[in-house]
This record gives sequence, structure tokens and C-alpha cells, in this order.
Amino acid sequence: ETGVTQSPTHLIKTRGQQVTLRCSSQSGHNTVSWYQQALGQGPQFIFQYYREEENGRGNFPPRFSGLQFPNYSSELNVNALELDDSALYLCASSEKQGAKNIQYFGAGTRLSVL
Amino acid sequence: KQEVTQIPAALSVPEGENLVLNCSFTDSAIYNLQWFRQDPGKGLTSLLLIQSSQREQTSGRLNASLDKSSGRSTLYIAASQPGDSATYLCAVNDNTDKLIFGTGTRLQVFP
Repeated sequence: ETGVTQSPTHLIKTRGQQVTLRCSSQSGHNTVSWYQQALGQGPQFIFQYYREEENGRGNFPPRFSGLQFPNYSSELNVNALELDDSALYLCASSEKQGAKNIQYFGAGTRLSVL
Repeated sequence: KQEVTQIPAALSVPEGENLVLNCSFTDSAIYNLQWFRQDPGKGLTSLLLIQSSQREQTSGRLNASLDKSSGRSTLYIAASQPGDSATYLCAVNDNTDKLIFGTGTRLQVFP
């Protein structure tokens, strides 16, 4: 157990809808990263939040957005869902930003878009 | 652009065998390399992290080596067990805050 919790565990949406995924960081961690893992692929970096500000973004369109709250929990929002958004979404927290800080992953949210 | 490749994509071995999983990366300017384990439909568990200045790390039956100049890392699993069955992912960090993952090696160890 890493102490990083994600909700919900599974979610089914239809194309065009909007979705919010939630992540609770490990205690004492102020940095949260989100990754998308399509079936049979490695995780792809979406973005990172550090002290409530976006701190780096991968190659994802603006309809992927996020928030980090004062307690360092985080949300990932996806608008106008597309079929290709079906994936496992992973959240990872670390003690602070920077490459030397190990990221601890949650169990993920499985999103299916029909 | 950094690319990470893992070979083989899948591996099936009898219990007790020693095995090697391979990871290669195109840009040697990495900060660290990490090996993860992922059980079906689950999140990632960190197994070993090797800093760019290190050559290897060991944890129990696992040993990971790093040759940064040639862009390669190997994960050695000794005396494999059915409980080792999972997907193994390697990821590099290039001193930004994002991990760049390979596509993984799916390992099955049968009794």
C-alpha cells in the first residue's frame, strides 16, 4: 500500500460527456502527477501539480485539465470524452517536485468510454 | 525525444528459472531509471530505482543494472516463482518531473 488513493475505481461514460477523477496524495506529499495508460501500453504523462500550480504537461489536449487543492489532493477533468480516452488513469504523489523524488502510485481509475 | 523499449514483450517460464528483462532508452542523459511491477488492472509498485551515477541495485531476488552510456538496463530475477507473474515496466526520468515508460514485459511463471 502506497497511501495514494484514487476514486472511483471504475467508471463508464459515453462519448461527449465529462468526467472527474480524484486522487488523495500520500501524507506529507505536495506533488501529484497524472498518467494515462491505454491497454497494453506504458503509462503516458499527462501533467503534474506542485503546490496547487501546474508544473509540466505532456502531449495531451486542453480538454484534459486538473486541479490541486490546499490539502494536496487532486482532480483530473476530461471534457468531451472520446472513445480513445478509455484507459487506466494513474495518480502518483511525491514528497516534492524534482527528479530525485520517488513517485508513489495509486491503484488507478479504469475509465471506459462507450 | 526520449523513447524507452522493453524486450521481450512477453515471457513464459517454469518456476525456478533465472531470467533477464531488458530495457533500452534512446537518450543517455537520464537522471534515474526505475523498475515497476504492475499486476493486472492494478497500479504500479516500485521495485528498484537506480540513480544515473550507479551501476546496479539489488532487492532480495531482484537485481537491476544500468549502463547509461549504451542506454540499457536489465532486471534480473533469480529463482522465479508463480507470484512473480505480472507486467514489469521500466521508466526513465530525465531530470524533469515526468517518468517516461516502456511498454512493459508481461511475465508468466508457471508451476
